Amino acid sequence: DTEVTQTPKHLVMGMTNKKSLKCEQHMGHRAMYWYKQKAKKPPELMFVYSYEKLSINESVPSRFSPECPNSSLLNLHLHALQPEDSALYLCASSQPDYGYTFGSGTRLTVV
Amino acid sequence: KNEVEQSPQNLTAQEGEFITINCSYSVGISALHWLQQHPGGGIVSLFMLSSGKKKHGRLIATINIQEKHSSLHITASHPRDSAVYICAVGTGNQFYFGTGTSLTVIP
Repeated sequence: DTEVTQTPKHLVMGMTNKKSLKCEQHMGHRAMYWYKQKAKKPPELMFVYSYEKLSINESVPSRFSPECPNSSLLNLHLHALQPEDSALYLCASSQPDYGYTFGSGTRLTVV
Repeated sequence: KNEVEQSPQNLTAQEGEFITINCSYSVGISALHWLQQHPGGGIVSLFMLSSGKKKHGRLIATINIQEKHSSLHITASHPRDSAVYICAVGTGNQFYFGTGTSLTVIP
């Protein structure tokens, strides 16, 4: 398995909802990442987990809460989002010398 | 100043043309990546380079570590190559993206 799988592919949520994005990889990669990408812009790093520990948090608002339950899974819990949080959320994983593998993303719309 | 600069920002080509996209970076890197993103879609990794040259089908990527420069070439371009091509460099757990080159190949 050489993929990063993200679910759901599309999500529409209200500003009072709580939802979660899920990312899974079975390549044994020990670093996993969440990125946010707005239209026509490069991805922006949100969080990095290294060996299941949060190693980088790029000043992301607390309405985004990451979780890494095990070495294959990465979640992003969403609560009280704003319309400007609508974006493509990308997950990636990496292992030194093996490069990065990206998921196909979750297209999030906050209404 | 961005750590990764790409040129051109936008590129339109006729089907069959040879295409070159350039990338310059200013940080020390462990590897350079060329990525492809179709409109509304996820990112696909095309190449990871730390030296020299790699070829995959009609795509060729080169890197010059001394000059901190990489190029992505597409031979015999096809409309399905239309996408955004992103250069990104990895340094440990940090990953810096270029702003992307939007390529449109016209039949």
